This record gives sequence, C-alpha cells and structure tokens, in this order.
Amino acid sequence: GIQVEQSPPDLILQEGANSTLRCNFSDSVNNLQWFHQNPWGQLINLFYIPSGTKQNGRLSATTVATERYSLLYISSSQTTDSGVYFCAVETAGNQFYFGTGTSLTVIP
Amino acid sequence: GAVVSQHPSRVICKSGTSVKIECRSLDFQATTMFWYRQFPKQSLMLMATSNEGSKATYEQGVEKDKFLINHASLTLSTLTVTSAHPEDSSFYICSASSGETEAFFGQGTRLTVV
Repeated sequence: GIQVEQSPPDLILQEGANSTLRCNFSDSVNNLQWFHQNPWGQLINLFYIPSGTKQNGRLSATTVATERYSLLYISSSQTTDSGVYFCAVETAGNQFYFGTGTSLTVIP
Repeated sequence: GAVVSQHPSRVICKSGTSVKIECRSLDFQATTMFWYRQFPKQSLMLMATSNEGSKATYEQGVEKDKFLINHASLTLSTLTVTSAHPEDSSFYICSASSGETEAFFGQGTRLTVV
C-alpha cells in the first residue's frame, strides 16, 4: 500500500511562531487532505489539496504532486492550534491512507 | 460539505459482548463507505471498504469474523465488533463517498471494552 510519512512527529511552539509540517507519500494519488484532530477525536478538514497552493486565514498548504509531498504552514500560531495534524492521501477508490501525524503543542 | 453521522460516539461494553456502530450519510447517497481504526496516539488505519449491496473488502490483518460490516443501503453502513475483548478498545471512524466527490468522515466512536 501507499506509505505516508509526516514530519516532524512532535512540535512545540511558542505562541506567535510559525511552523511548517511536511507530508511525503510513496505513490501517485488522486487527492490529498490535511486534517486537524480535536481532543474528542473528530477530524476537522483543513484543506483538500491535490496540487497547488491554498490559503485559509493563518493556514496555507502546498502540494507538489510530481514530487510526492505536501506542506502545511501555520503562521502566528495560537494555543488553539494545538492538537494532532494528519495528512491523508486518497486513492482512485476514495480510500484514505493516513500519515503518521504531527502532534503540535503551542505554549503561551 | 456533506454530513456523515456516526453513532454512538462513545460506548462501553463488557468483554464477550458484541457492539454495533452505525455510519449514516445524511444528505447524499454513499455508494462506498470505509471504516478506520485508531489506537491511542497513533494514526488511522483503514480496516475495510464496503460497497452498497456487496461484501466488504478487508485490509490485510483485519479479522472478517471479528469485525462484521454491513452496507445494506446507500445511506447506512454498520460495523459490528463481535465477542469484544479489551484489545478491541479503540477509536473507530467511518467515511462515506458518493464516488463523485471527496469522502466525508463521521465523528468517530470511542469503544471501551471492560
């Protein structure tokens, strides 16, 4: 199956700092999504981004499909950004294969 | 976006009993539904893919007789954990797809077997 790796696995930031999360995948995929998992386990969709760049407020994402990676940028981080961030790649059959996750802690 | 409802959100059951988890697509017809499992502090692992009206396809290492999946209609899939044991305790999440757009995820079910 497709391998999806994320880095770093853990990240601690001071409030206001910027960060970049990376997602590498091993094969061509139909689509890619970034999720934030809240403390209750719910997956919050951040970006649906098979290629190119998208921005939503303090968050932006870039996927370079030909090089099989995606980046999630968080600017001016806030304590509410804390949590686990997953990237997931979608196959032609709509199956998602999730990355290993990045656990982000933003300290005040 | 489309809504996928999962029920219950949390369940505690005794070892040896069976538990059924429902996944419903509320505003679209889901030709395909997927079930995922997440252990604490780990990623989500695809367990199985179910297409409406046919048998589910299980990922390698997932016990078919332990995790029974039924997808009898275009809006409902169920996952039954049979003869549950403490090691089955986990977070289970479903997703649903119409085949035309991206898949949408349910809220998840936290199962605790005591």
